[in-house]
Amino acid sequence: QLQLQESGPGLVKPSETLSLTCTVSGGSISSSSYYWGWIRQPPGKGLEWIGSIYYSGSTYYNPSLKSRVTISVDTSKNQFSLKLSSVTAADTAVYYCARMLEHFDPWGQGTLVTVSS
Amino acid sequence: QSALTQPRSVSGSPGQSVTISCTGTSSDVGGYNYVSWYQQHPGKAPKLMIYDVSKRPSGVPDRFSGSKSGNTASLTISGLQAEDEADYYCCSYAGSYTPLYVFGTGTKVTVL
Repeated sequence: QLQLQESGPGLVKPSETLSLTCTVSGGSISSSSYYWGWIRQPPGKGLEWIGSIYYSGSTYYNPSLKSRVTISVDTSKNQFSLKLSSVTAADTAVYYCARMLEHFDPWGQGTLVTVSS
Repeated sequence: QSALTQPRSVSGSPGQSVTISCTGTSSDVGGYNYVSWYQQHPGKAPKLMIYDVSKRPSGVPDRFSGSKSGNTASLTISGLQAEDEADYYCCSYAGSYTPLYVFGTGTKVTVL
């Protein structure tokens, strides 16, 4: 059974870079057909797609975040990562990773990242 | 790309049916048959309930069904049960030149 687990700092200072990793278990991140994505949810608000990556390294991002987002993949560790630069309080959210086709399934449990000094 | 529009809340008694709408444009919902629906209980990760407009993943009860007409997709829950009380989000593929995904604003389903 495929499982995803997010990890990274729960507190980031304003203007710094948020870095998270998603570890995939129970299956290979190099499986063809699937992309791997990041989604976030500010407290009490809705979901926002951040971006996605294929195991080959091809990426595509939400245009609203594109200038600040980098998603990368490490097939040797079966992981993919998110970096979001120049964060502000508006980037405080639960960050989820998920496997994706044209839908997202399964999801990781999510990790809360708070931006505060 | 703007969020898809969903009603803030819907409610129904156990056993009844409720329908949640998800309205977009011809660039997202109306342009592709890639609408998915997610159920989210408080403090939990979203769970896929419907994909490709009307397909149900294995393990999802057949009380959940999806459809689409024009720029509006719908999720219907028949035979409402207490455990169906949750937030529901739609999502649509919205790519033209590059892949893009947009979520709905979310709907709180209350079982009376």
